[in-house]
Amino acid sequence: GAGVSQTPSNKVTEKGKYVELRCDPISGHTALYWYRQSLGQGPEFLIYFQGTGAADDSGLPNDRFFAVRPEGSVSTLKIQRTERGDSAVYLCASSFGTPNTGELFFGEGSRLTVL
Amino acid sequence: QKEVEQDPGPLSVPEGAIVSLNCTYSNSAFQYFMWYRQYSRKGPELLMYTYSSGNKEDGRFTAQVDKSSKYISLFIRDSQPSDSATYLCAPGRSGNTPLVFGKGTRLSVIA
Repeated sequence: GAGVSQTPSNKVTEKGKYVELRCDPISGHTALYWYRQSLGQGPEFLIYFQGTGAADDSGLPNDRFFAVRPEGSVSTLKIQRTERGDSAVYLCASSFGTPNTGELFFGEGSRLTVL
Repeated sequence: QKEVEQDPGPLSVPEGAIVSLNCTYSNSAFQYFMWYRQYSRKGPELLMYTYSSGNKEDGRFTAQVDKSSKYISLFIRDSQPSDSATYLCAPGRSGNTPLVFGKGTRLSVIA
């Protein structure tokens, strides 16, 4: 596809369960970002990849959150022992180059609900 | 103090009105300034990008940056119902530092 693709679009899980969210960026984009957006809030930065490596993971809230991008394309955000406070829309974005050089292209997000 | 402050609204205006959306920021390291527009249940999309103080115009949209007062504005002329969305200001630093987003202002343009 032409845009950033995120799956699943909706995920409902129970407290304590493990969740994986997938992001398929625009082909050729070297940078990939994960943001989290709670209701009525702006996107909150989680982690940024340049290629396969995490260039900045300072936004990950705690060690229950982990993300990988093993081949420099698709990325997976992994959340262990989910809590109700993890409920949010998880947005993925991709871009050419570094964050200051161009537009971030966002997917439509994965809406996570933890019961 | 948060790095970026933005009034969340909601803001409701009649069609054809001039809309002013604003943000303030606290970090002098911010060097470039973006406005993203987000429709309901969609991801944000880039609307405007400015690098320096002053004005930048694109059609009905004007972005204004005043670095001395750390104040960012987006003006929409002749607003249309299709402009109804949440507008997010997003200042950025140089190099590898990711964008910081404001809370967003929800705008409704009533026909």
